[in-house]
Amino acid sequence: GAVVSQHPSWVICKSGTSVKIECRSLDFQATTMFWYRQFPKQSLMLMATSNEGSKATYEQGVEKDKFLINHASLTLSTLTVTSAHPEDSSFYICSALGQGDSEQYFGPGTRLTVT
Amino acid sequence: GQQLNQSPQSMFIQEGEDVSMNCTSSSIFNTWLWYKQDPGEGPVLLIALYKAGELTSNGRLTAQFGITRKDSFLNISASIPSDVGIYFCAGSSNFNKFYFGSGTKLNVKP
Repeated sequence: GAVVSQHPSWVICKSGTSVKIECRSLDFQATTMFWYRQFPKQSLMLMATSNEGSKATYEQGVEKDKFLINHASLTLSTLTVTSAHPEDSSFYICSALGQGDSEQYFGPGTRLTVT
Repeated sequence: GQQLNQSPQSMFIQEGEDVSMNCTSSSIFNTWLWYKQDPGEGPVLLIALYKAGELTSNGRLTAQFGITRKDSFLNISASIPSDVGIYFCAGSSNFNKFYFGSGTKLNVKP
């Protein structure tokens, strides 16, 4: 099956710093990747849709200048949380959609803690 | 973003029992996906449905795409302790955006 990896799996950073999270499709090319945020005991909330070679599409209420998304290749998308604050602490999960594929496959998630 | 109505929110069952959960949407979807998520991990795809009325099985799991295209259900037969986890439905109308249900937390008592 399709494999998606995320790095790092967890990160602790100080308030005001920036953190970059990588999402890679390991055995397929992903024209579209999605970034989700999940708070404890809650469902996944879509933050943005990332298309290779174009600007990401952000969901309402998600600050595009705070959550920078770059999808520079068909196997890599990055999410950078800029000037992180404690309220940004969450579980960030990416998923990838293969070209011509209608199924999305999830990465293992990244636990971000901002102190 | 849009969320789907998923029920029940949680279930406590005895090992060996069958389980049923469902999702409904106010929008028509072209795809329904069912996932299982273990604590601290990303969701794992269980079953994908693409056609109204479609009934698909994956081992002890069976899911159906509702005929109205606004709902889907997932059944687990003869539950075992490793079925414990949170199950999410996800629906999409254009393959470019998926909306998730609120999740069903399944507890199985040995």
